[in-house]
Amino acid sequence: EIVLTQSPGTLSLSPGERATLSCRASQSVSSSYLAWYQQKPGQAPRLLIYGASSRATGIPDRFSGSGSGTDFTLTISRLEPEDFAVYYCQQYGSSHTFGGGTKVEIK
Amino acid sequence: QVQLVQSGAEVKKPGASVKVSCKASGYTFTGYYMHWVRQAPGQGLEWMGWINPNSGGTNYAQKFQGRVTMTRDTSISTAYMELSRLRSDDTAVYYCARLDYDSSGYGYDYWGQGTLVTVSS
Repeated sequence: EIVLTQSPGTLSLSPGERATLSCRASQSVSSSYLAWYQQKPGQAPRLLIYGASSRATGIPDRFSGSGSGTDFTLTISRLEPEDFAVYYCQQYGSSHTFGGGTKVEIK
Repeated sequence: QVQLVQSGAEVKKPGASVKVSCKASGYTFTGYYMHWVRQAPGQGLEWMGWINPNSGGTNYAQKFQGRVTMTRDTSISTAYMELSRLRSDDTAVYYCARLDYDSSGYGYDYWGQGTLVTVSS
C-alpha cells in the first residue's frame, strides 16, 4: 500500500500570504493519479486539483498543483479568508489512500 | 445538476450491521464508479472501496475485506455500503463520492453530504 505523508501538519499564515503544502509518497505515483481536496468543518471534501496539476471546475487560479514521482505540492498563491481549511492529497494508484492532511490556519 | 443524497444518521450497537444509501441524480448513474470514504471524528479521510454501478464489480480496501459489501440498484440510481460486525472505532461520517476522470487524471468531483454512523452500547 502506498503511504502518503503530508507536511506540515499545521500551517499558520495570514491572509494574502503564500501557502506551500507537501505530499510525499512511499512509492512512485503516476501524476494522473494524484489529487488534492479541501475540507471545511462540517462539510464534505471538495476537489481542487486532479492529475497532480489540473484545476477542477470552478477552482480559482490561486490554487496550483505540481510534482511527480514521490513528491507533490499544492500551492495557494495568496490566501483568501475562505481558504483556511484542511487539505488532503490522495493517490489512486494503489488502494486509493489519502494523506493525513494539512490544516491551514489563520495566524 | 449532479447530486448525491445519502441516508440519515444511524446509531448501532457493537456487532450489528449498518447499510448506508447514496442516491444519485443529474447524470447517468452507470457511467461513473462510486467510491466510499469515511472520516472518524476529528480524523482524516479513509478510503473504503468502490463499486462499478454498470457491472456491479467491487474493490474493497484490505482493511475492510470481509466486513464491507457495496451494492447498487440501477433502477433507482442508488449505491449502498453495508458494514457488518460494527465496533466502536467504526463511528464515523461515511461519504459516497463519484469518481470522474479525463485525459489529465482522476478525482472525486461530487460527494454526498455524509452519513454519521455512531456505534455505541
